[in-house]
Amino acid sequence: QVQLVQSGAEVKKPGASVKVSCKASGYTFTGYYMHWVRQAPGQGLEWMGWINPNSGGTNYAQKFQGRVTMTRDTSISTAYMELSRLRSDDTAVYYCARRGITMVRGVPVIAFDIWGQGTMVTVSS
Amino acid sequence: DIQMTQSPSSLSASVGDRVTITCQASQDISNYLNWYQQKPGKAPKLLIYDASNLETGVPSRFSGSGSGTDFTFTISSLQPEDIATYYCQQYDNLPIAFGQGTRLEIK
Repeated sequence: QVQLVQSGAEVKKPGASVKVSCKASGYTFTGYYMHWVRQAPGQGLEWMGWINPNSGGTNYAQKFQGRVTMTRDTSISTAYMELSRLRSDDTAVYYCARRGITMVRGVPVIAFDIWGQGTMVTVSS
Repeated sequence: DIQMTQSPSSLSASVGDRVTITCQASQDISNYLNWYQQKPGKAPKLLIYDASNLETGVPSRFSGSGSGTDFTFTISSLQPEDIATYYCQQYDNLPIAFGQGTRLEIK
């Protein structure tokens, strides 16, 4: 079945980097954009950016520019999100989410139809 | 950046009740709005896309409406399994933005 499986929980010290993986299965990996969304404990959802697995092109939210890098390895259908210079307020669950390919009135719908299970990243000294 | 404001932030209702959540955008986003359901400890699930289209496999008691800046999400008859937090999400402009969420509880 179509699924995204993420890597396990991480504990990092302030100033370190973390790299989260997201392995896709059950569909053509290069056919769908992959987005990353995070959720701090007890808080709402925050969009971080996307990667086009076909071209490797990326677009990051301004808030994360300079600290986030999204990459992919098409040979193993896996997307990665690396966040550097971690701070305590980066403590959150990080999700990868597939953008569907639905079009409405000729416009692509940017909706996330498949989500990974989430990866808890804790930043603590 | 576009800001999304949901109301109420929390809501208590009885099984069988009609439940309505609103989402307001800080500027006109046409129909470029989705709704998600998130249960505790789980990833969000897409329910409604393009303001009013039901995602495949989602029960018909869920519906959405609106355009421009004002949107509504409705559960026609609340079921126990609908207990969750609901989020709206705009995709008219980057950065993609979510509402702050509405926590739905059973009375």
